[in-house]
Amino acid sequence: GQQLNQSPQSMFIQEGEDVSMNCTSSSIFNTWLWYKQDPGEGPVLLIALYKAGELTSNGRLTAQFGITRKDSFLNISASIPSDVGIYFCAGQDSGAGSYQLTFGKGTKLSVIP
Amino acid sequence: GAVVSQHPSRVICKSGTSVKIECRSLDFQATTMFWYRQFPKQSLMLMATSNEGSKATYEQGVEKDKFLINHASLTLSTLTVTSAHPEDSSFYICSAKAYNEQFFGPGTRLTVL
Repeated sequence: GQQLNQSPQSMFIQEGEDVSMNCTSSSIFNTWLWYKQDPGEGPVLLIALYKAGELTSNGRLTAQFGITRKDSFLNISASIPSDVGIYFCAGQDSGAGSYQLTFGKGTKLSVIP
Repeated sequence: GAVVSQHPSRVICKSGTSVKIECRSLDFQATTMFWYRQFPKQSLMLMATSNEGSKATYEQGVEKDKFLINHASLTLSTLTVTSAHPEDSSFYICSAKAYNEQFFGPGTRLTVL
């Protein structure tokens, strides 16, 4: 089956620093998505990428859909304490209209004030 | 818009009992809903795809007789964990598909004693 490799697994950064995380896949996805999950909550969509090479921003967040359609990265600039949480990448396969998501293993972000 | 709720938010039950979890799309209709399971410090794993008015499609390794899914209306899908055992303890998250995007519920924490 499809597998997503997400790295790093965890990171500790100082408030104000920039953060970068990425995902690679063994197969092609039509859509890449980035979610944030707080403890005991469901994931919340941060950014959706629909086209290879697409670079999209949402406030301090920037994400790119790799040209090969097998990878994506997420950058967070000027981190703040509320950025703490687990970030998941997800690839969406819209083939046959399924729209199923395959999730990466997550990056746990800790921000030191 | 696109709010998904789950009930209950947490449940504790005895081994051998059955537990029903509800997933509702509050302000939109969803012909397709998805059920995920998330173990501590793990990613979300798709269990099944629930389609309104038809049988659910289960992922490989998920027992359909143990995890009963009913999607009787365009705003409600239910997951029933039958004869629950301690190894079924997990965080169960549903999502509802709208506009080619999945909107996630807040999750249900199941603890089986």
